[in-house]
Amino acid sequence: GAGVSQSPRYKVAKRGQDVALRCDPISGHVSLFWYQQALGQGPEFLTYFQNEAQLDKSGLPSDRFFAERPEGSVSTLKIQRTQQEDSAVYLCASSLGQGLTTGELFFGEGSRLTVL
Amino acid sequence: AQRVTQPEKLLSVFKGAPVELKCNYSYSGSPELFWYVQYSRQRLQLLLRHISRESIKGFTADLNKGETSFHLKKPFAQEEDSAMYYCARVHTGANSKLTFGKGITLSVRP
Repeated sequence: GAGVSQSPRYKVAKRGQDVALRCDPISGHVSLFWYQQALGQGPEFLTYFQNEAQLDKSGLPSDRFFAERPEGSVSTLKIQRTQQEDSAVYLCASSLGQGLTTGELFFGEGSRLTVL
Repeated sequence: AQRVTQPEKLLSVFKGAPVELKCNYSYSGSPELFWYVQYSRQRLQLLLRHISRESIKGFTADLNKGETSFHLKKPFAQEEDSAMYYCARVHTGANSKLTFGKGITLSVRP
């Protein structure tokens, strides 16, 4: 497809379950970002990849959160032992250049996670 | 902390009225600032960036370093401008990180 694709669009998990969220960035985009958006808030940075290298993971809220992009394209965000406070929309974005050099991020539609 | 503040949650105006969406940032050098927009049932997308000094869909935003503001303005609102608007800045010292405000809902009534 032409845009950033995320799956699943909706995920309901019981507290304590592990979840995996997938992001397919725009083909050829070097940079990939994950953001977390809680209800009524703006997106908050989680982590950043340049190709397959995870250069910034300062926004990951705990060691239960793990992200990877092993071949420099598709990325997966994994949350272990989910908690209710993990309920949010998880946004993936990609950009053509390194970091925010162009300033424009192309966002996916998000994966809405609800933890019961 | 490097913050972006959008003091209002909702702005409701009639079609044809002027619009100003407020954004203030915590001072840190020369920030790179942006406005992103999310229309109903669409994904978040870039509206404009201060560095390009352009007008998009009739919207403009001027960086005011003295007031540390980057307010978004449009002289005559249209119904299709109804959306969620987010102000954002590049985090100084970490150019991989965008910091967003909490967003404001603009509702333009006919």
